[in-house]
Amino acid sequence: NAGVTQTPKFQVLKTGQSMTLQCAQDMNHNSMYWYRQDPGMGLRLIYYSASEGTTDKGEVPNGYNVSRLNKREFSLRLESAAPSQTSVYFCALSRGLAGGSTDTQYFGPGTRLTVL
Amino acid sequence: AQSVTQLDSQVPVFEEAPVELRCNYSSSVSVYLFWYVQYPNQGLQLLLKYLSGSTLVKGINGFEAEFNKSQTSFHLRKPSVHISDTAEYFCAVTRNSGGYQKVTFGTGTKLQVIP
Repeated sequence: NAGVTQTPKFQVLKTGQSMTLQCAQDMNHNSMYWYRQDPGMGLRLIYYSASEGTTDKGEVPNGYNVSRLNKREFSLRLESAAPSQTSVYFCALSRGLAGGSTDTQYFGPGTRLTVL
Repeated sequence: AQSVTQLDSQVPVFEEAPVELRCNYSSSVSVYLFWYVQYPNQGLQLLLKYLSGSTLVKGINGFEAEFNKSQTSFHLRKPSVHISDTAEYFCAVTRNSGGYQKVTFGTGTKLQVIP
């Protein structure tokens, strides 16, 4: 997972609390993504940022917001956490150039979030 | 729309035995095919990908996969597994969608290598 860092690694929240998950990269890639991973469901896209200055909803955006602070950083915010948001969250990135559907995605180590 | 099916959620196999992890996909447009591996408590990393050309693709750690367009499959194989191959394996298809890489992941197959 070299080049993609996520903080924190673990977090426990109570229902209704808020928190921000941070993702930073040093690979100079354009596109960044937030996924959640739940048992038996694979990875589902929450939000993505095709390039600096743009963000858009993915498959499961409800209850989340994002900020693409600059080319390096892409944060995910839970405004009012719910038990259904208990999951492992992964940040990923890809080059994002034209023809980007052939790109490899590079993943961070993940944040394990529990909402009580 | 595109989808990926990994029918086997878990595959136990003895060390040094061969293994095949199955992946089938469906899509109304051309897609590219990937296999990613996730070791315990880590993020995913690329194992191999098929973009075009030869339908047999070789990846890291001795894995290979064969693209079969008529059967819409992209099965992953290794002739002799090691304990270190114990991990979860995800098949994925990608296409360009409105300027970003739309990736659809399968639900994963956990490979358990038994000593």
